[in-house]
Amino acid sequence: ETGVTQTPRHLVMGMTNKKSLKCEQHLGHNAMYWYKQSAKKPLELMFVYSLEERVENNSVPSRFSPECPNSSHLFLHLHTLQPEDSALYLCASSQDPGRADQPQHFGDGTRLSIL
Amino acid sequence: GNSVTQMEGPVTLSEEAFLTINCTYTATGYPSLFWYVQYPGEGLQLLLKATKADDKGSNKGFEATYRKETTSFHLEKGSVQVSDSAVYFCALIQNSGNTPLVFGKGTRLSVIA
Repeated sequence: ETGVTQTPRHLVMGMTNKKSLKCEQHLGHNAMYWYKQSAKKPLELMFVYSLEERVENNSVPSRFSPECPNSSHLFLHLHTLQPEDSALYLCASSQDPGRADQPQHFGDGTRLSIL
Repeated sequence: GNSVTQMEGPVTLSEEAFLTINCTYTATGYPSLFWYVQYPGEGLQLLLKATKADDKGSNKGFEATYRKETTSFHLEKGSVQVSDSAVYFCALIQNSGNTPLVFGKGTRLSVIA
């Protein structure tokens, strides 16, 4: 039990579909993160939320749209994705963003495949 | 900017062999350093950390020492097991300022019986 739950675990979608990834943390943390993990590339930080406000957006294409309705939930809305967006999308949380003494806790990820 | 460089994988070892995975970093100031592990089909888990120079992080038989003079944080284990097969990520974060974790590319370890 990692304390960070991601659903679905696997998602296959066409380029014209709209879907959403969900992340829920049960750790009482204030910060939540989306990462993209592609084969043979470093982990890419996509978005950071602190107390439900977006504090970082790393030049992510607008076809990815995050939403943080409260400090326990984080969504990633997907629309008109490209084949190169196929990857493992990881959610993480920590007590506060950017604190060296507070490790991030990761979910098991959503494996996304774009047809 | 900050960056982390890890040795290229994959690394394949026999059970009970000695493991070293090299990690060097570039950072302004004095970062904290981490090793994360990702088992098949799972997310990343914190394995160990060190927050200042000469600190040694340790967990589950793994160790890494924060070497400021060589800007390194190499991961070692004296005797690996098949269950250690995973991808290992070195990472850093600045101790000052609101900056995110910076990860290396990861090193895949396969341990065979």
